[in-house]
Amino acid sequence: EAQVTQNPRYLITVTGKKLTVTCSQNMNHEYMSWYRQDPGLGLRQIYYSMNVEVTDKGDVPEGYKVSRKEKRNFPLILESPSPNQTSLYFCASSSSQGTDTQYFGPGTRLTVL
Amino acid sequence: QKEVEQNSGPLSVPEGAIASLNCTYSDRGSQSFFWYRQYSGKSPELIMSIYSNGDKEDGRFTAQLNKASQYVSLLIRDSQPSDSATYLCAVKTAGNMLTFGGGTRLMVKP
Repeated sequence: EAQVTQNPRYLITVTGKKLTVTCSQNMNHEYMSWYRQDPGLGLRQIYYSMNVEVTDKGDVPEGYKVSRKEKRNFPLILESPSPNQTSLYFCASSSSQGTDTQYFGPGTRLTVL
Repeated sequence: QKEVEQNSGPLSVPEGAIASLNCTYSDRGSQSFFWYRQYSGKSPELIMSIYSNGDKEDGRFTAQLNKASQYVSLLIRDSQPSDSATYLCAVKTAGNMLTFGGGTRLMVKP
């Protein structure tokens, strides 16, 4: 089954404790991205990657890191989480920048205390 | 000013009616436009994409694009309670970023 998976689905952590949210897709997609969704603000892009070892900042990259060492994986790293990073996070992938059907993962609800 | 604007709603329509959702965008270089549906607590799913001016129909859904006026709309005919969700407009800008509007919450009442 074609899918985007994220782990963990729910995470409660404390300020400053490094965490990683994993994202994996099994569709051989080149393009992957991370979004955060906050009430009233919609989905905002954090980082995206057009292929292995190619990443770029989205709208709200501050406080986040990403890496793309393999085509299927695109982890999101919060080196020192803060309460303003409490949000719902989605990973998405698509076959190329020109093919725009993005497949979203199930979401990760992060709470930073 | 946000790059992609939507009325947050809720938009309430009776079952069987036409629901009309609107979206405006600021980047004139945008070429690709999308409507996603998101049920509460779930991830967005693509329902329509449109790239050229005019109408595009898919079942009960029609997307309309007017690049000169910088708006894109989604019509849902014969609305069903199962259509109750938040509808997200997304625009791919010339910089290749996909920018979402804040979403319009649609409620279809039986």
